Amino acid sequence: GENVEQHPSTLSVQEGDSAVIKCTYSDSASNYFPWYKQELGKGPQLIIDIRSNVGEKKDQRIAVTLNKTAKHFSLHITETQPEDSAVYFCAVSKNSGYSTLTFGKGTMLLVSP
Amino acid sequence: DGGITQSPKYLFRKEGQNVTLSCEQNLNHDAMYWYRQDPGQGLRLIYYSQIVNDFQKGDIAEGYSVSREKKESFPLTVTSAQKNPTAFYLCASSPQGTNEKLFFGSGTQLSVL
Repeated sequence: GENVEQHPSTLSVQEGDSAVIKCTYSDSASNYFPWYKQELGKGPQLIIDIRSNVGEKKDQRIAVTLNKTAKHFSLHITETQPEDSAVYFCAVSKNSGYSTLTFGKGTMLLVSP
Repeated sequence: DGGITQSPKYLFRKEGQNVTLSCEQNLNHDAMYWYRQDPGQGLRLIYYSQIVNDFQKGDIAEGYSVSREKKESFPLTVTSAQKNPTAFYLCASSPQGTNEKLFFGSGTQLSVL
């Protein structure tokens, strides 16, 4: 089955700095790559996603880049704010039959004022 | 407001006891999912259902059971066969015909007395 590795497991930055979280996957047939943000005591919330026919997608301060050849994708957060502090999960799936999402283990991001 | 409601927020299980976690959605979504989250781990899929009266095992179904008698409801029973049930349980749903763009509930924390 699919294997998703996520790094780093924890990330501390100063407010205003950029943060980058990277995920690698094993199945070259994977074609959907979402990112979820989970705040303390809550369920994860989809913040951005990308498909394999697109190399980069941006939404205000967050962006996702995809390198299909190397089988990795990254979440970029610019101008970080304390409210960005949360656990971020990457996930992967493929559009064959009814494939379910495989999640990475998460990155705890701490943004210090 | 549309969304997913999980109850209870906290649940305690005695040895040898079965417990049921509730999940209700009013998003008119066809697919529903149960995930287990352990500290430092990703989200692992327990069961999922694409339509009423049909469900499939996920990666860690042993010791769990589900039913899908109504589109809005997808309860999860943690049976006494699940020897390590302490975890945070998340229910999710997604629109028809897709495993993408999951909407999560706020979760249930299950602990063993």
